[in-house]
Amino acid sequence: NAGVTQTPKFRVLKTGQSMTLLCAQDMNHEYMYWYRQDPGMGLRLIHYSVGEGTTAKGEVPDGYNVSRLKKQNFLLGLESAAPSQTSVYFCASRDKLLGAGRYNEQFFGPGTRLTVL
Amino acid sequence: QQQVKQSPQSLIVQKGGISIINCAYENTAFDYFPWYQQFPGKGPALLIAIRPDVSEKKEGRFTISFNKSAKQFSLHIMDSQPGDSATYFCAAKGKRETSGSRLTFGEGTQLTVNP
Repeated sequence: NAGVTQTPKFRVLKTGQSMTLLCAQDMNHEYMYWYRQDPGMGLRLIHYSVGEGTTAKGEVPDGYNVSRLKKQNFLLGLESAAPSQTSVYFCASRDKLLGAGRYNEQFFGPGTRLTVL
Repeated sequence: QQQVKQSPQSLIVQKGGISIINCAYENTAFDYFPWYQQFPGKGPALLIAIRPDVSEKKEGRFTISFNKSAKQFSLHIMDSQPGDSATYFCAAKGKRETSGSRLTFGEGTQLTVNP
């Protein structure tokens, strides 16, 4: 049981280049999320998905697109990278079941460190 | 606009001391308040969480204190250990499940526990 995995771990892009970050989870979770983490700003939600074939905008969606063609995968795309997108990107997943305590837990991947020059 | 404010930004504590991190929120439509712990180079992991119908939750050395009227909650780490050195994030979840159970995170606190 690998949990949440992310590829690649590191990437350096030039301004204007495109790339796709892949998130995969093997816990059969319905909900998946993409966050970016910047110093002093915590984790900010980019896009999320509540099920296969569905996506929705989060707090900071501009410049990013996502797709959830398969339940276990959630892709984050940058069509034309900008230096402001230099960040650490985290994917997370969560079970749909409601409840108290740890049932609301989001499980995070190890992150992708992206630098845009 | 940050709906969850966290302080301090950094905290240094001696081994055996008490670490206290505070968070305040604005939106009364939150119904779940977790704390996440993140070690360098790793993703955040759930540490402890509380619902607003209780004022305190304790798990081992970690305690959440919740003040609903003040819209504040805090994490207390008793007998702090060097292994507790990490970044801590508070968060809040909206009540509406149609929002995808989104979490709003605080800015984070970098805790260093000196031996």
